[in-house]
Amino acid sequence: DSGVTQTPKHLITATGQRVTLRCSPRSGDLSVYWYQQSLDQGLQFLIQYYNGEERAKGNILERFSAQQFPDLHSELNLSSLELGDSALYFCASSVGMGAPPGGAQFFGPGTRLTVL
Amino acid sequence: QKEVEQDPGPLSVPEGAIVSLNCTYSNSAFQYFMWYRQYSRKGPELLMYTYSSGNKEDGRFTAQVDKSSKYISLFIRDSQPSDSATYLCAMDDDKIIFGKGTRLHILP
Repeated sequence: DSGVTQTPKHLITATGQRVTLRCSPRSGDLSVYWYQQSLDQGLQFLIQYYNGEERAKGNILERFSAQQFPDLHSELNLSSLELGDSALYFCASSVGMGAPPGGAQFFGPGTRLTVL
Repeated sequence: QKEVEQDPGPLSVPEGAIVSLNCTYSNSAFQYFMWYRQYSRKGPELLMYTYSSGNKEDGRFTAQVDKSSKYISLFIRDSQPSDSATYLCAMDDDKIIFGKGTRLHILP
């Protein structure tokens, strides 16, 4: 158990809908990262927050947004969902930023999103 | 050319064998290199990281980096059935880029 929690574990929804994925980082970690994992694309970095501020952006679609709250938990919002958004969504956290050891990322168990 | 290339496998080896997992990369700006292990239906976990060319050992695992060839390897000695998982290489300059992972099966 990494100490990172994600809810829900599974989510099934329809095209065009909006969903919110939630992540609680390990105690003491200030950085939160979101990733999307699919069979064809592999693990893709979406976005990073550090202590409430956006720090880095990857291949995140405009239909997706995220935020990190004062208690450091984070939410990833996915809207106007398409079939291709079906994937595993992982949250990771780290104490600091950048390279390990301070930037070593600990992954949560993921949320499996199915868009029908 | 993709930034990080990794053979997806699957790779099946008998218990006790030495396993070699590899990645190539194209971006010479990558500063540090990592290996993650991902069991089925779980999140990735960081196994090893290294900054420089050469070898780094941790128990049965050895990470090797050759920056001149843009090639990294992970060796697993005395492989065990519990090592069966997907292994992802990853590298970073300002954000992490992951390989697609190699599925490894250790046969009892």
